[in-house]
Amino acid sequence: DTGVSQDPRHKITKRGQNVTFRCDPISEHNRLYWYRQTLGQGPEFLTYFQNEAQLEKSRLLSDRFSAERPKGSFSTLEIQRTEQGDSAMYLCASSLGWGRTGELFFGEGSRLTVL
Amino acid sequence: EDKVVQSPLSLVVHEGDTVTLNCSYEVTNFRSLLWYKQEKKAPTFLFMLTSSGIEKKSGRLSSILDKKELFSILNITATQTGDSAVYLCAGETNAGNMLTFGGGTRLMVKP
Repeated sequence: DTGVSQDPRHKITKRGQNVTFRCDPISEHNRLYWYRQTLGQGPEFLTYFQNEAQLEKSRLLSDRFSAERPKGSFSTLEIQRTEQGDSAMYLCASSLGWGRTGELFFGEGSRLTVL
Repeated sequence: EDKVVQSPLSLVVHEGDTVTLNCSYEVTNFRSLLWYKQEKKAPTFLFMLTSSGIEKKSGRLSSILDKKELFSILNITATQTGDSAVYLCAGETNAGNMLTFGGGTRLMVKP
């Protein structure tokens, strides 16, 4: 499968715990995005990377959220001290990064449930 | 702040009907308007529109953009049960770094 893959697909955690999600983009894509989607809403932009550089992170929801893409390949999104309001689907997407930058290829998401 | 609004919120039709989904946008330094289909998990790309008045078409789906009125529509003709999904509209900024999505239109096509 050469699509965008995300892991884990579902994470249940207790409030206050830290969680980390991993995303493996399509191999030739140099842009990687993280979005959050809650029930009945469209995806909400969080951050994006061009290769290993994080070029936009002002939309991360709080300082509890951080993302990395250390070698310009896979990325991780970490949420520290989770709160119930963090429960959502976290979507990763990748794109080629030129020309058709809006054409994103999404993974199937990591669903977070905070108890 | 950029905003994308879709209507209707939901729609129930029967197979063979034609539907029109609406999207209005306010996006600073607008570059393109995109439509995605979300069936269960991952949104999948349908169309990218950058110029007014030019219809994009793919099979029974078509879309057009009006950059003066800041509006786009997605038409689906001869609907099938497989068209049942949430249809998302998104505006892209000139920086090409993020999409602002609308809340989606949930379409249900009954046999």
